[in-house]
Amino acid sequence: DAGVIQSPRHEVTEMGQEVTLRCKPISGHNSLFWYRQTMMRGLELLIYFNNNVPIDDSGMPEDRFSAKMPNASFSTLKIQPSEPRDSAVYFCASSPTSLAGAYNEQFFGPGTRLTVL
Amino acid sequence: AQKVTQAQTEISVVEKEDVTLDCVYETRDTTYYLFWYKQPPSGELVFLIRRNSFDEQNEISGRYSWNFQKSTSSFNFTITASQVVDSAVYFCALINTGGFKTIFGAGTRLFVKA
Repeated sequence: DAGVIQSPRHEVTEMGQEVTLRCKPISGHNSLFWYRQTMMRGLELLIYFNNNVPIDDSGMPEDRFSAKMPNASFSTLKIQPSEPRDSAVYFCASSPTSLAGAYNEQFFGPGTRLTVL
Repeated sequence: AQKVTQAQTEISVVEKEDVTLDCVYETRDTTYYLFWYKQPPSGELVFLIRRNSFDEQNEISGRYSWNFQKSTSSFNFTITASQVVDSAVYFCALINTGGFKTIFGAGTRLFVKA
């Protein structure tokens, strides 16, 4: 079975440009998470979707970040405009979890390494 | 407040040595879940184990074993007879029942030298 798929795997862009990261969760998983990983801050949860609905976006750094999940098999994380401090590895993860509790393990994608010059 | 502390930033061992990665957690809830994930050099996090707060039995899976002690709020991970392929960053994580936000520790980078 295919795991979580993320694209692109690497993205290099210039400050001010719009960046869109994509994620396809594992089929049948109803929870989706976007994380950011940096050396300074470690792994940070940005946003959590359950059944395509954003449940908590308190981790989204600022208004420049937005995420959507138009259907159960696709999600995007957009940064507009991008800044050098957004450089990080962005992970998408999915889990077979119900809204009542998130006790199952998460399955992570390979990540997108974003570099903003 | 919830917190996961992995005090060991980096550990270096020689192949075939045993190594223990420490994890100490803080939570006010009585029901919670603990996890360990492995992040190899390829970058993708891989789930290793889940343990709920009511199950303090230690678990062994091949060369991996986990020691959960509620009395000390610890969930330590031991690799027996380490191998070069065990080189990775290992994360301990916590979720409270009813929540969804996984709290990750800072990770421990393990180097296993041949």
